[in-house]
Amino acid sequence: DAGVIQSPRHEVTEMGQEVTLRCKPISGHDYLFWYRQTMMRGLELLIYFNNNVPIDDSGMPEDRFSAKMPNASFSTLKIQPSEPRDSAVYFCASSLWGNDEQYFGPGTRLTVT
Amino acid sequence: AQKITQTQPGMFVQEKEAVTLDCTYDTSDPSYGLFWYKQPSSGEMIFLIYQGSYDQQNATEGRYSLNFQKARKSANLVISASQLGDSAMYFCAMREGTGNQFYFGTGTSLTVIP
Repeated sequence: DAGVIQSPRHEVTEMGQEVTLRCKPISGHDYLFWYRQTMMRGLELLIYFNNNVPIDDSGMPEDRFSAKMPNASFSTLKIQPSEPRDSAVYFCASSLWGNDEQYFGPGTRLTVT
Repeated sequence: AQKITQTQPGMFVQEKEAVTLDCTYDTSDPSYGLFWYKQPSSGEMIFLIYQGSYDQQNATEGRYSLNFQKARKSANLVISASQLGDSAMYFCAMREGTGNQFYFGTGTSLTVIP
Protein backbone atom coordinates (compact mmCIF):
# COMPACT_ATOMS: atom_id res chain seq x y z
CA ASP A 1 0.00 0.00 0.00
CA ALA A 2 1.22 3.50 -0.81
CA GLY A 3 0.30 4.86 2.59
CA VAL A 4 -1.33 8.20 3.17
CA ILE A 5 -0.46 10.65 0.42
CA GLN A 6 -0.37 14.39 0.90
CA SER A 7 0.25 17.18 -1.54
CA PRO A 8 1.94 19.50 -1.84
CA ARG A 9 4.86 18.64 0.44
CA HIS A 10 5.83 22.27 0.74
CA GLU A 11 3.77 25.39 0.15
CA VAL A 12 4.91 28.97 0.39
CA THR A 13 2.28 31.62 -0.07
CA GLU A 14 1.63 35.25 0.71
CA MET A 15 -0.73 36.44 3.37
CA GLY A 16 -4.28 36.71 2.08
CA GLN A 17 -3.96 33.97 -0.50
CA GLU A 18 -6.04 30.82 -0.53
CA VAL A 19 -4.25 27.58 0.30
CA THR A 20 -5.54 24.09 -0.42
CA LEU A 21 -3.93 21.02 1.08
CA ARG A 22 -4.79 17.59 -0.26
CA CYS A 23 -4.87 14.13 1.23
CA LYS A 24 -5.47 10.61 -0.05
CA PRO A 25 -6.03 8.15 2.81
CA ILE A 26 -5.07 4.50 2.81
CA SER A 27 -7.58 2.55 0.79
CA GLY A 28 -10.24 0.98 2.97
CA HIS A 29 -9.69 3.25 5.95
CA ASP A 30 -12.93 4.76 7.17
CA TYR A 31 -11.48 7.54 9.30
CA LEU A 32 -9.51 10.55 8.20
CA PHE A 33 -7.90 13.12 10.47
CA TRP A 34 -6.30 16.52 9.85
CA TYR A 35 -3.66 17.73 12.31
CA ARG A 36 -1.54 20.83 12.60
CA GLN A 37 1.91 20.77 14.21
CA THR A 38 3.77 23.82 15.47
CA MET A 39 6.61 24.24 17.92
CA MET A 40 4.43 26.29 20.23
CA ARG A 41 1.30 24.14 20.28
CA GLY A 42 2.55 20.70 19.30
CA LEU A 43 0.14 18.41 17.45
CA GLU A 44 -3.44 19.64 17.31
CA LEU A 45 -6.38 17.77 15.85
CA LEU A 46 -8.29 20.07 13.53
CA ILE A 47 -11.07 17.86 12.22
CA TYR A 48 -11.86 14.24 11.50
CA PHE A 49 -14.19 12.38 9.16
CA ASN A 50 -15.90 9.02 9.35
CA ASN A 51 -17.10 7.58 6.06
CA ASN A 52 -16.61 10.99 4.43
CA VAL A 53 -18.77 12.77 7.02
CA PRO A 54 -17.20 15.39 9.31
CA ILE A 55 -17.65 14.22 12.87
CA ASP A 56 -15.76 16.71 15.00
CA ASP A 57 -14.46 20.04 13.73
CA SER A 58 -14.04 21.65 17.14
CA GLY A 59 -10.30 21.95 16.55
CA MET A 60 -10.66 24.11 13.46
CA PRO A 61 -9.17 27.43 14.58
CA GLU A 62 -11.60 29.77 12.84
CA ASP A 63 -13.86 30.23 9.88
CA ARG A 64 -10.91 30.73 7.58
CA PHE A 65 -10.34 26.99 7.78
CA SER A 66 -12.58 24.50 6.02
CA ALA A 67 -12.26 20.82 5.19
CA LYS A 68 -14.11 18.54 2.82
CA MET A 69 -14.11 14.88 1.96
CA PRO A 70 -16.08 14.44 -1.27
CA ASN A 71 -15.28 10.73 -1.46
CA ALA A 72 -13.51 7.96 0.40
CA SER A 73 -10.18 8.57 -1.31
CA PHE A 74 -9.78 12.33 -1.16
CA SER A 75 -9.92 15.16 1.34
CA THR A 76 -8.96 18.82 1.27
CA LEU A 77 -8.12 21.37 3.92
CA LYS A 78 -8.54 24.94 2.75
CA ILE A 79 -7.37 28.15 4.37
CA GLN A 80 -8.86 31.35 3.00
CA PRO A 81 -7.45 33.91 3.54
CA SER A 82 -4.15 32.62 4.88
CA GLU A 83 -2.21 34.43 7.60
CA PRO A 84 1.42 34.14 8.79
CA ARG A 85 0.27 32.43 12.00
CA ASP A 86 -1.07 29.57 9.89
CA SER A 87 2.51 28.56 9.11
CA ALA A 88 2.89 24.98 10.34
CA VAL A 89 3.15 21.41 9.22
CA TYR A 90 -0.25 19.96 8.38
CA PHE A 91 -0.66 16.22 8.66
CA CYS A 92 -3.36 14.00 7.34
CA ALA A 93 -3.86 10.60 8.97
CA SER A 94 -6.20 7.70 8.40
CA SER A 95 -7.27 4.66 10.36
CA LEU A 96 -9.31 1.58 9.72
CA TRP A 97 -11.36 1.97 12.85
CA GLY A 98 -11.88 5.04 14.97
CA ASN A 99 -9.93 3.63 17.87
CA ASP A 100 -7.23 2.03 15.79
CA GLU A 101 -3.73 3.33 15.29
CA GLN A 102 -3.55 6.21 12.87
CA TYR A 103 -1.25 6.22 9.88
CA PHE A 104 0.14 9.60 9.03
CA GLY A 105 1.02 11.13 5.72
CA PRO A 106 4.36 12.88 5.20
CA GLY A 107 2.85 16.27 6.01
CA THR A 108 2.62 19.58 4.17
CA ARG A 109 4.94 22.31 5.39
CA LEU A 110 3.06 25.58 4.94
CA THR A 111 4.80 28.92 5.11
CA VAL A 112 2.71 32.09 4.89
CA THR A 113 4.75 35.26 4.42
CA ALA B 1 -5.33 19.16 33.00
CA GLN B 2 -3.09 17.70 30.34
CA LYS B 3 -4.30 14.41 28.97
CA ILE B 4 -0.77 13.28 28.10
CA THR B 5 2.39 14.46 29.84
CA GLN B 6 5.90 13.86 28.62
CA THR B 7 8.29 15.45 31.09
CA GLN B 8 11.54 14.82 29.24
CA PRO B 9 12.03 17.37 26.47
CA GLY B 10 15.36 15.78 25.53
CA MET B 11 17.17 12.53 26.23
CA PHE B 12 20.55 11.13 25.31
CA VAL B 13 21.51 7.48 25.15
CA GLN B 14 24.66 5.62 24.18
CA GLU B 15 24.38 3.39 21.15
CA LYS B 16 23.43 -0.19 22.08
CA GLU B 17 22.10 0.87 25.47
CA ALA B 18 18.45 0.82 26.52
CA VAL B 19 16.47 3.99 27.13
CA THR B 20 13.10 4.73 28.74
CA LEU B 21 10.91 7.59 27.58
CA ASP B 22 8.32 8.65 30.12
CA CYS B 23 4.63 9.20 29.52
CA THR B 24 1.83 9.74 32.00
CA TYR B 25 -1.82 10.11 31.11
CA ASP B 26 -4.98 11.41 32.66
CA THR B 27 -8.37 9.86 32.12
CA SER B 28 -11.31 8.66 34.16
CA ASP B 29 -12.54 6.39 31.38
CA PRO B 30 -11.81 2.71 32.10
CA SER B 31 -11.39 2.03 28.39
CA TYR B 32 -8.58 3.75 26.55
CA GLY B 33 -5.69 3.12 24.23
CA LEU B 34 -2.11 4.33 24.45
CA PHE B 35 0.13 4.82 21.43
CA TRP B 36 3.71 5.79 20.73
CA TYR B 37 4.83 7.48 17.54
CA LYS B 38 8.30 8.32 16.23
CA GLN B 39 8.98 11.46 14.22
CA PRO B 40 12.44 11.51 12.63
CA SER B 41 13.97 14.69 11.28
CA SER B 42 12.38 13.99 7.91
CA GLY B 43 9.05 14.82 9.56
CA GLU B 44 6.83 11.80 9.06
CA MET B 45 4.97 10.28 12.01
CA ILE B 46 5.59 6.56 12.39
CA PHE B 47 3.38 4.36 14.56
CA LEU B 48 5.46 2.23 16.93
CA ILE B 49 3.36 0.44 19.53
CA TYR B 50 -0.10 0.23 21.07
CA GLN B 51 -1.36 -0.71 24.56
CA GLY B 52 -5.01 -1.18 25.41
CA SER B 53 -6.22 -0.42 28.91
CA TYR B 54 -7.55 -3.94 29.35
CA ASP B 55 -4.47 -5.66 28.00
CA GLN B 56 -2.99 -7.90 30.66
CA GLN B 57 0.53 -7.91 29.31
CA ASN B 58 2.84 -5.11 28.30
CA ALA B 59 2.96 -4.56 24.56
CA THR B 60 6.15 -5.37 22.69
CA GLU B 61 7.19 -4.75 19.09
CA GLY B 62 10.72 -5.76 18.28
CA ARG B 63 13.07 -3.49 20.22
CA TYR B 64 10.13 -1.43 21.52
CA SER B 65 8.22 -2.31 24.64
CA LEU B 66 5.67 -0.41 26.62
CA ASN B 67 5.98 -0.42 30.40
CA PHE B 68 2.32 -0.06 31.31
CA GLN B 69 1.61 0.76 34.95
CA LYS B 70 -2.11 1.29 35.16
CA ALA B 71 -2.29 2.36 38.79
CA ARG B 72 0.33 5.03 38.17
CA LYS B 73 -1.23 5.97 34.83
CA SER B 74 2.08 5.67 33.10
CA ALA B 75 2.96 4.17 29.72
CA ASN B 76 6.68 4.48 29.30
CA LEU B 77 8.37 3.45 26.07
CA VAL B 78 11.47 1.32 26.40
CA ILE B 79 13.84 1.09 23.46
CA SER B 80 16.40 -1.65 23.82
CA ALA B 81 19.77 -1.79 22.05
CA SER B 82 19.53 1.79 20.77
CA GLN B 83 20.63 2.49 17.24
CA LEU B 84 21.70 5.74 15.61
CA GLY B 85 18.53 5.62 13.55
CA ASP B 86 16.48 5.85 16.73
CA SER B 87 17.39 9.52 17.05
CA ALA B 88 14.05 11.29 16.64
CA MET B 89 11.14 12.89 18.44
CA TYR B 90 8.87 10.46 20.23
CA PHE B 91 5.24 11.21 20.95
CA CYS B 92 2.94 9.46 23.38
CA ALA B 93 -0.78 9.59 22.57
CA MET B 94 -4.04 8.43 24.09
CA ARG B 95 -7.43 7.61 22.68
CA GLU B 96 -10.12 7.89 25.34
CA GLY B 97 -13.01 5.46 25.57
CA THR B 98 -14.62 4.74 22.25
CA GLY B 99 -13.89 8.24 21.05
CA ASN B 100 -11.88 8.85 17.98
CA GLN B 101 -9.78 11.77 19.05
CA PHE B 102 -6.15 11.26 19.90
CA TYR B 103 -4.45 13.38 22.54
CA PHE B 104 -0.73 13.84 21.93
CA GLY B 105 2.02 14.74 24.35
CA THR B 106 4.60 17.41 23.64
CA GLY B 107 7.20 14.85 22.67
CA THR B 108 10.68 13.80 23.77
CA SER B 109 13.70 14.35 21.57
CA LEU B 110 15.99 11.32 21.71
CA THR B 111 19.60 11.51 20.58
CA VAL B 112 21.61 8.32 20.25
CA ILE B 113 25.32 8.90 20.74
CA PRO B 114 27.77 6.68 18.90
